[in-house]
Amino acid sequence: QKEVEQDPGPLSVPEGAIVSLNCTYSNSAFQYFMWYRQYSRKGPELLMYTYSSGNKEDGRFTAQVDKSSKYISLFIRDSQPSDSATYLCAMSDSSASKIIFGSGTRLSIRP
Amino acid sequence: NAGVTQTPKFRILKIGQSMTLQCAQDMNHNYMYWYRQDPGMGLKLIYYSVGAGITDKGEVPNGYNVSRSTTEDFPLRLELAAPSQTSVYFCASSYGTGQGRAGELFFGEGSRLTVL
Repeated sequence: QKEVEQDPGPLSVPEGAIVSLNCTYSNSAFQYFMWYRQYSRKGPELLMYTYSSGNKEDGRFTAQVDKSSKYISLFIRDSQPSDSATYLCAMSDSSASKIIFGSGTRLSIRP
Repeated sequence: NAGVTQTPKFRILKIGQSMTLQCAQDMNHNYMYWYRQDPGMGLKLIYYSVGAGITDKGEVPNGYNVSRSTTEDFPLRLELAAPSQTSVYFCASSYGTGQGRAGELFFGEGSRLTVL
């Protein structure tokens, strides 16, 4: 079983839609949960960062962590064509040393 | 600031050849990482280091070696290249738990390697 599972998509939605991206994980020791965004032919960039459980909001983006279900989500409101990218979840334990990524979801926002 | 610098950006190798991918960071980060990304896939951790002189295997270490003699540099060595090592390689660094956001990785631009 992979430590981190993520639906690879691709996912295509119209502009203005709410997007939901999800990951599940098996390692109960994970404490740091991140979402990275990667544009084509570029390195990933940190989008959202959460420690332990709960919600975090930043503009149009909301990250949720449910440790009891080992499930994390990223919501994008009022999606824009510029949000078209690959979104990768990542997580690690309290040492923040070994950081494991999901397989990424390719998202396309149609104008 | 240069951030994380990777060289070369592109390389074509023949089966059985060896090479070293260079990675340097100027942010005084303690932690450094090597990932590979196959087409349409996520990142797989090859090796990581939490400080000079300390390295650990990640998810897919076979066929690779690393060393960390300084805080700034973290080269990745490919021995006896195989077609399965055709990929994009990303180097990354972070503060670790010392300061900033633990787990926040800063990535280089990637090195595209093809083994024929």
